[in-house]
This record gives sequence, structure tokens and C-alpha cells, in this order.
Amino acid sequence: DAGITQSPRHKVTETGTPVTLRCHQTENHRYMYWYRQDPGHGLRLIHYSYGVKDTDKGEVSDGYSVSRSKTEDFLLTLESATSSQTSVYFCAISEYPGGMRNQPQHFGDGTRLSIL
Amino acid sequence: AQTVTQSQPEMSVQEAETVTLSCTYDTSESDYYLFWYKQPPSRQMILVIRQEAYKQQNATENRFSVNFQKAAKSFSLKISDSQLGDAAMYFCAYRSINAGNMLTFGGGTRLMVKP
Repeated sequence: DAGITQSPRHKVTETGTPVTLRCHQTENHRYMYWYRQDPGHGLRLIHYSYGVKDTDKGEVSDGYSVSRSKTEDFLLTLESATSSQTSVYFCAISEYPGGMRNQPQHFGDGTRLSIL
Repeated sequence: AQTVTQSQPEMSVQEAETVTLSCTYDTSESDYYLFWYKQPPSRQMILVIRQEAYKQQNATENRFSVNFQKAAKSFSLKISDSQLGDAAMYFCAYRSINAGNMLTFGGGTRLMVKP
């Protein structure tokens, strides 16, 4: 299994509080991603990173920010959590070496976040 | 933007039988990749099978195979000799060859396997 660790695994917090989720990888992969999973929607991309300090928005980026100061760590921050951000959050990684563009993404085990 | 549709929210199959899960997608690109991921109750996302759009031959991985119809933009997953451990959510995903290696997922199909 790819070395991806998400922390925390579960979190309950209140509306209006800041929340930071961490994704740590040991694979030295270039790309890292944050998705959220909601019933009926599958997984939707929030933000992704293509290198240290290089990030871009995904489909559902409003209300979220990210940072990547080291290759191995990708942080997702909810500056002021809302109940609509209650979800399961997945981190994923992938490498994109030349000529091997079919490399899949590997996923962490997810973080269940509940905002009351 | 690409979209991926899984029209079957739930499917059931008898153990040892064959089941096919449907997936359609919408894209204007000619080169891309398609994946099926399995998510058991443990919440892990497990890659089942992948297909490159430029390859005409359908991908096969043991009991799992796909029927890739590029013109119809269809990518169905066939599971043969279904086992109890196949019970899970299955997600179809599309990946552009362009920026970011990003995946676009369908809404998922819950597969139940009856003993």
C-alpha cells in the first residue's frame, strides 16, 4: 500500500472554528490532492498540488485553502467551518513520470469531519 | 469540463454469478484515462482496473474486465464469479491528460452480493 497517512481520522467541531487536516506521504510523489466524499456525489476535488508551494483549485474549492511547504505534507484548512463542510475527506497522491501517464492515484484512509 | 455518470445507484448479484456496472462520461478530449475504484465498508479506495483511451483492447484484471466503447463514451465494469468480498461501492473515474492528473468521479454504485 502507498504510504499515505491522514490525520486526524475523525473530528467533531463546531461551526465557525478553524480546522486543519493533514496528509503525509512517504512516496515522494509530486502530485497531492484533497477530495471530499458526499452521498450521491462520489468524490469531488477540492484542491491539488503539483509541487512544493504549487497548488490549484478544484471543483469545490470555496471555503477551503491548502498549503504545501514540503513534498511530503499537504494541509487542508477550513478557515471557518460550516455545517455544509461535514463530509469525509480523502487525500490522494500520484506520480507522473514521463511516458507513464496512466499511473493511478493512491488514496489515504479518509478523515470523517463532523461540524455541528 | 468532464462529467461521469453512474446510472445504477444500487445493484445486487448472486454469489458466483456475473454482474455489469455501467458508466458513461462526457468529454471533448480524444486522449484520456478511465478507472474503476472499489470502496469497501473500511472506506479505503482500491484501484480495480484502468483503461487508456488510445487502446482499443479492453482491460482485464483476473475476474474484472471492462467494456470500453469510446464512440459511445461508455466504460462498464464486468465482475465474473462474484464473491462476497466484492460487496462495496464502485466508482468510475475519468482522468484528463491535461493539467493536474485530476480525477472526475461518478456518483458510485453500491454492489450487494447475495450468498
